[in-house]
Amino acid sequence: DVKVTQSSRYLVKRTGEKVFLECVQDMDHENMFWYRQDPGLGLRLIYFSYDVKMKEKGDIPEGYSVSREKKERFSLILESASTNQTSMYLCASRGVLNEKLFFGSGTQLSVL
Amino acid sequence: DQQVKQNSPSLSVQEGRISILNCDYTNSMFDYFLWYKKYPAEGPTFLISISSIKDKNEDGRFTVFLNKSAKHLSLHIVPSQPGDSAVYFCAASSGDAGNQFYFGTGTSLTVIP
Repeated sequence: DVKVTQSSRYLVKRTGEKVFLECVQDMDHENMFWYRQDPGLGLRLIYFSYDVKMKEKGDIPEGYSVSREKKERFSLILESASTNQTSMYLCASRGVLNEKLFFGSGTQLSVL
Repeated sequence: DQQVKQNSPSLSVQEGRISILNCDYTNSMFDYFLWYKKYPAEGPTFLISISSIKDKNEDGRFTVFLNKSAKHLSLHIVPSQPGDSAVYFCAASSGDAGNQFYFGTGTSLTVIP
């Protein structure tokens, strides 16, 4: 089974801090994604990557950046955390031949 | 602009009865549709999918129906069980692997024992 591991389940940060959310997948998938989930808004795509060092903006990239230095690892960076970035962050991966997304367990981030 | 819509935020069903969750989409280029189930504080897990070349796909208690002309899909759960209580998201995509998935806002299903 595919395993997508997010480094933290719960995280509390202060406004203005730089925040790193890490995601690792073990199935050699080309494509990796970062979503955030908010009540009533569903899952919204922040960034995705289809190859090492490649990245594409999703629907809500403002305030975020990403890094993909290795195929298995996709990091989401909040350059200066704000309270409106309090959310559940979900990482996902997908292979070229595999049609479905595999999700990690999520990181519940609270920005105070 | 929401391309995938789940108009019912919540649904309650008695145990043993059928649960029907609905999803509408606007983009006629979508050719692959999925349903995910999510428990609180966990990541979504894949439930069932359907390609646009089919109008029905069944997996145990779960059946997904696709009506392309109406741009509508539905998930049927029969019989519903208390463990099915979760948030259900439908998602759609088009093109080759790597393209975006578009998710609905979710429907919270409660199965009453």
